Amino acid sequence: NAGVTQTPKFQVLKTGQSMTLQCAQDMNHNSMYWYRQDPGMGLRLIYYSASEGTTDKGEVPNGYNVSRLNKREFSLRLESAAPSQTSVYFCASRNEMVYEQYFGPGTRLTVT
Amino acid sequence: LAKTTQPISMDSYEGQEVNITCSHNNIATNDYITWYQQFPSQGPRFIIQGYKTKVTNEVASLFIPADRKSSTLSLPRVSLSDTAVYYCLVAPDSSYKLIFGSGTRLLVRP
Repeated sequence: NAGVTQTPKFQVLKTGQSMTLQCAQDMNHNSMYWYRQDPGMGLRLIYYSASEGTTDKGEVPNGYNVSRLNKREFSLRLESAAPSQTSVYFCASRNEMVYEQYFGPGTRLTVT
Repeated sequence: LAKTTQPISMDSYEGQEVNITCSHNNIATNDYITWYQQFPSQGPRFIIQGYKTKVTNEVASLFIPADRKSSTLSLPRVSLSDTAVYYCLVAPDSSYKLIFGSGTRLLVRP
């Protein structure tokens, strides 16, 4: 079991560029999440997906789009990156039986 | 959604017991309390979850008073490797909108 995997691990973008962060889980969980964590701060929920085919906004959705491609995969897209989006992005899935979230290793994104 | 308040930071020494309290005054009847641990450069990791009274596992204990307006994570005999940020999260079991607070930064000294 790989758990939750994220690609890429690191990325540097110029302002205005676009990119997609990939996330996949092999635990057959229904719900998946995207968080961002700025240096020295807590996690903030960007978007979540309660089940395949559904997505909902979290606390800070502006500037992002998501796609729940299938049960395993949940991607996060930045259409026009801004320096304020420099952060570490964590993907998570949740075991609904015990309400426990499993997090990926994160993607470190720098926008210059 | 219940708002949580935790101390920003705490210091301890190896071998001591550490208690981190989370305040959640507007907790709802169907809310559960969950604690996560996060090491630098890693994603958070589940520690423990409870609804009322006391829950214990191999890592920690969680104490929840009868009014459920606060909860205390207890780490027995901490070691240097327990230095991390600890987050308290309160949400209904049916909710998918899981929002973390600012967390408590625990520093364990030798």
